[in-house]
Amino acid sequence: GDQVKQSPSALSLQEGTNSALRCNFSIATTTVQWFLQNPRGSLMNLFYLVPGTKENGRLKSTFNSKESYSTLHIRDAQLEDSGTYFCAAEGGGADRLTFGKGTQLIIQP
Amino acid sequence: NAGVIQTPRHKVTGKGQEATLWCEPISGHSAVFWYRQTIVQGLEFLTYFRNQAPIDDSGMPKERFSAQMPNQSHSTLKIQSTQPQDSAVYLCASSLAREDTQYFGPGTRLLVL
Repeated sequence: GDQVKQSPSALSLQEGTNSALRCNFSIATTTVQWFLQNPRGSLMNLFYLVPGTKENGRLKSTFNSKESYSTLHIRDAQLEDSGTYFCAAEGGGADRLTFGKGTQLIIQP
Repeated sequence: NAGVIQTPRHKVTGKGQEATLWCEPISGHSAVFWYRQTIVQGLEFLTYFRNQAPIDDSGMPKERFSAQMPNQSHSTLKIQSTQPQDSAVYLCASSLAREDTQYFGPGTRLLVL
């Protein structure tokens, strides 16, 4: 099965609403990264997380290592938040990232 | 800071030809990673170098694929005898230290006809 399972796979939101994306890990995970892939394909860094919570503007992310999951909360969604969000796990002594399948987010006016 | 640079951005090859992809990591970063993205498989790890030494190539197809890092300012991924199933976006990333943020380049979109 998927070592990093992301949910939902797709989500459509009205501008101004809030959402939560989730990743569950079935591999040993030390750190988590969240990325936004824009329509041109570039992966933009959102968060690098050790266990705990970080916040940046309208985005907030938590990594709970004991329960093996991470969440990304988007507050007051804007049109420019549209794209595909990926989480990626690093751990087990390996520096490589294991990615989830992504959540395709569409923000509608 | 120009970020991670990848060239070419697009490459079209005929089946059986060789393709060489280039990556220039962020200056001062000690690690370079190669990943591949397809619709079916998603984002997959291929290989990585630290301080120019190959560390982990567990994701590399055993045949036809090879990667090198001849100096700290660039890495290459070479695919010999390309096949249509090699068509993908090949992404390079670099990081400053172990267990650190990985920064991705824009990718090279490879199409094998």
